[in-house]
Amino acid sequence: AQSVTQLDSHVSVSEGTPVLLRCNYSSSYSPSLFWYVQHPNKGLQLLLKYTSAATLVKGINGFEAEFKKSETSFHLTKPSAHMSDAAEYFCVLNYGGSQGNLIFGKGTKLSVKP
Amino acid sequence: EPEVTQTPSHQVTQMGQEVILRCVPISNHLYFYWYRQILGQKVEFLVSFYNNEISEKSEIFDDQFSVERPDGSNFTLKIRSTKLEDSAMYFCASTPGLAGRAYTDTQYFGPGTRLTVL
Repeated sequence: AQSVTQLDSHVSVSEGTPVLLRCNYSSSYSPSLFWYVQHPNKGLQLLLKYTSAATLVKGINGFEAEFKKSETSFHLTKPSAHMSDAAEYFCVLNYGGSQGNLIFGKGTKLSVKP
Repeated sequence: EPEVTQTPSHQVTQMGQEVILRCVPISNHLYFYWYRQILGQKVEFLVSFYNNEISEKSEIFDDQFSVERPDGSNFTLKIRSTKLEDSAMYFCASTPGLAGRAYTDTQYFGPGTRLTVL
C-alpha cells in the first residue's frame, strides 16, 4: 500500500534558523514525491518535486528536499526561515500504478517566531 | 501565470440539498481531479477525469457524487443529496498529462470551495 507520514504536526522555529519538516513514505512502486505549501485561504502551491532524477531537489523560496530510498524519506529543509514561510506544508506521493491521484500526508504547520 | 479557479469560495447548504462546485482548470491541461479535506484530516483523492470520462475514483466517490465537463472550460463536482459529513474543503486540480505520464506531472490546485452542510 502507498502512504505518507509527516512526523510532526507542528514545527516552530525562529526567523533566521533552519527549517526541517520530516516526511516518510511507503510505496511498492517507484514514487514521485512532492512538497506543497498552503497559506491561509490560498490554494496548494507546489514547492518542489522528485521524479526519479536527481535525489537532491531544489524548489522555490530556498527550500530543498532529499530523496533517500534507503530511509524511505523525503525531508524538506531550508537554511534560514523567513516570517513568510509560516504556512502548512504537505508531503505528497504519486506512483506509477495510478492515474495521478495524489496521496497526502496530514500536513505540518510551520510557525516562524520573530 | 495561469491558475485553476474555483467557485464559490464558500457554499452553505441544507442537508439533502444538491450542490454543484465549479472549477475552471488551466486551459490545455488534460487531467482533472477533485480532492477534499475534512477539517483536521488529510487531503483525500475523490476522482480523476481524462478524455471526458472518469479514469479513477476512490471509495469516497459513491453514487451521490458525479463529475462533468459541460463545456470546454468548466469542470464540476455535483453532490446529489448532501450529508453532514460532506462538509469539507473541496479542491480541484489539473495537470498537463504530457505523454500520458500523469503520475509525474505537477498538479495545479485551485483555492478550494468550503462546503458547509447544516
